[in-house]
This record gives sequence, structure tokens and C-alpha cells, in this order.
Amino acid sequence: QLQLQESGPGLVKPSETLSLTCTVSGGSISSSNFYWSWIRQPPGKGLECIGSLYYSGTTYDNPSLKSRVTMSVDTSKNQFSLNLSSVTAADTAIYYCARHDPMKGVLDVWGQGTTVTVSS
Amino acid sequence: EIVMTQSPATVSVSPGGRATLSCRASQNIRTNLAWYQQKPGQPPRLLIYGASTRVTGVPDRFSGSGSGTEFTLTISSLQSEDFALYFCQQSFNWPPLTFGGGTKVEIK
Repeated sequence: QLQLQESGPGLVKPSETLSLTCTVSGGSISSSNFYWSWIRQPPGKGLECIGSLYYSGTTYDNPSLKSRVTMSVDTSKNQFSLNLSSVTAADTAIYYCARHDPMKGVLDVWGQGTTVTVSS
Repeated sequence: EIVMTQSPATVSVSPGGRATLSCRASQNIRTNLAWYQQKPGQPPRLLIYGASTRVTGVPDRFSGSGSGTEFTLTISSLQSEDFALYFCQQSFNWPPLTFGGGTKVEIK
């Protein structure tokens, strides 16, 4: 059964870079059928897709965040990562990683999420 | 970016009742629409894709309909476990995948 698990610091200072990793187990991140995505949810609010990436390293960024986002994949570790630079309090959120099935257009397997707070 | 708008923000329904949730897209997305359920402290769970296809294991009291810009999620005979937050999401034009703001189904 495919599982995803986010990891990373729970507290980041303003203007610094938020770095998260998603570890995929029970399946290969190198599957040609799927993308791998980051989604966030500010406290009490809705969902925002940060971006998706393919195992080859090709990324598909949300234009609203594009200049601050870097995503990468490490197929040897079955992991993918997110860096979000120049964070502010507005970046405080639960960050989820998920598998994106482009054929169905859905995020069909999600991690449990990790809370990241931006505060000095 | 395609903007998704859900209404109402909250719907109050008695157990055993029926809930009708709406989702509107800012442009024609054909049937490239999914619905998710989210409970407190949990990630979203995919319920429906292609506007009307239920994911395996989702009870048939959940049904989706619509195409173009107007979509509906209907939950018939609400059970206690159905009281949750529901999001719609489009995949017609991405990046980014975009979500509606959500509808909370609460106990009346």
C-alpha cells in the first residue's frame, strides 16, 4: 500500500527557507504514470497546490509561488522535496505531499501533513 | 488560473437527510472535476473524479454530477461519518490544480 510521509522543521523564521521532504513507501517514485505534488492548507482555510514534479525532475509550479519554489526528486531515496524561500507568516500552513494521477486529474494518495509555522 | 467557487460555505443537515453541495468553475472545465472529503486532523480523501465516478470503496450515497462550469455533490441519507469538509478541485488546466474554498457539512 502506497504511503507518503512529510518531514521537516515545524518552525521557520521569517525571510528564511522552508525545506520539506516527502518519503514514498510501498511504491516507486519512478513510476511513469504519476506526478508528485505539494499542497498546503493555512489554518482554517482551503487548499492550495504548490506544484507537482515528475520523477525525471520536470516541475510544474503554481505561478503565484513560482519565484520562491524549488522542487526536486531523489529517486535513489524514493523522496521528493520542497524548498520555499523568503517565507512570511502567510506561509504558515499544514503542508501535504500527495501523488497526482494526471489521467484522472486527482491527488489520490496523501501524506498526513506537517504543520509549519513561520515565526521569529 | 481557473477559480473554483463552492456554495454554501456551510450546510446544516439532519442525520439521514440529504446534502447538496455546489461547485462552480470560472471557465468550462468539461468533467475534469474531483471531490474530496476532509475530517479534522486528517488529509483530504478523494471521493469522486471525472465529475461523477466514485472511487472504489466510497459509498453510493455520494454522487457527483455536472459538466462545464456547474457541478454538484449530493450526499443522500447522511451518516455521522459524513459530517466533514468537502472540496472540489479542477484538473482541466494546470498548473496549478485549483480547489474550491470548501463546504462544511454540519449536524442540524
